[in-house]
Amino acid sequence: KAGVTQTPRYLIKTRGQQVTLSCSPISGHRSVSWYQQTPGQGLQFLFEYFSETQRNKGNFPGRFSGRQFSNSRSEMNVSTLELGDSALYLCASSLTSGSRTDTQYFGPGTRLTVL
Amino acid sequence: DQQVKQNSPSLSVQEGRISILNCDYTNSMFDYFLWYKKYPAEGPTFLISISSIKDKNEDGRFTVFLNKSAKHLSLHIVPSQPGDSAVYFCAASNSNSGYALNFGKGTSLLVTP
Repeated sequence: KAGVTQTPRYLIKTRGQQVTLSCSPISGHRSVSWYQQTPGQGLQFLFEYFSETQRNKGNFPGRFSGRQFSNSRSEMNVSTLELGDSALYLCASSLTSGSRTDTQYFGPGTRLTVL
Repeated sequence: DQQVKQNSPSLSVQEGRISILNCDYTNSMFDYFLWYKKYPAEGPTFLISISSIKDKNEDGRFTVFLNKSAKHLSLHIVPSQPGDSAVYFCAASNSNSGYALNFGKGTSLLVTP
């Protein structure tokens, strides 16, 4: 079974631009969560989607948004990029939503650099 | 506000010895705890978890201990192997946050031959 895939793996943008990152969950997984990893703050939860609905959202500004499609693939968008948005963005998928004990499987991440 | 803290950024252990990684949390509502390990250029991989109704969970060489009164958990790896060298993240969740995991900043474990 293929794991969680994220595209692109690396991205360089300039301040003020916007960016869209993509995540394809493991086949059959319906829940997708996004995390931001930075050296200063560590791994921080962005949002979680299940059946195309955002179920949970972390403490990030409205510039960070996401969506999930009917095939469970998910995208996240960051508008008006700031230097501090430079980070590794990780996507995780789980089989179902509703049981917190479902294991979350992480993708390799997208490394975003904002210049 | 870091609710999950891993105060040791790094740890070095000899092969065959025990590795003990520690984690503290501040939110008393956390009731489910996990450990992930991460190799460079890969996403975190689930290792082991424990519910707050237990104080110990074991899986092969890995054991997690939970001390709720101290809001402390630890991961024991016995015996340590060079392939265990990775960054280990402690994470916690509560029933209100669904799948949202609160992570510590990680401890880099180096197991030397």
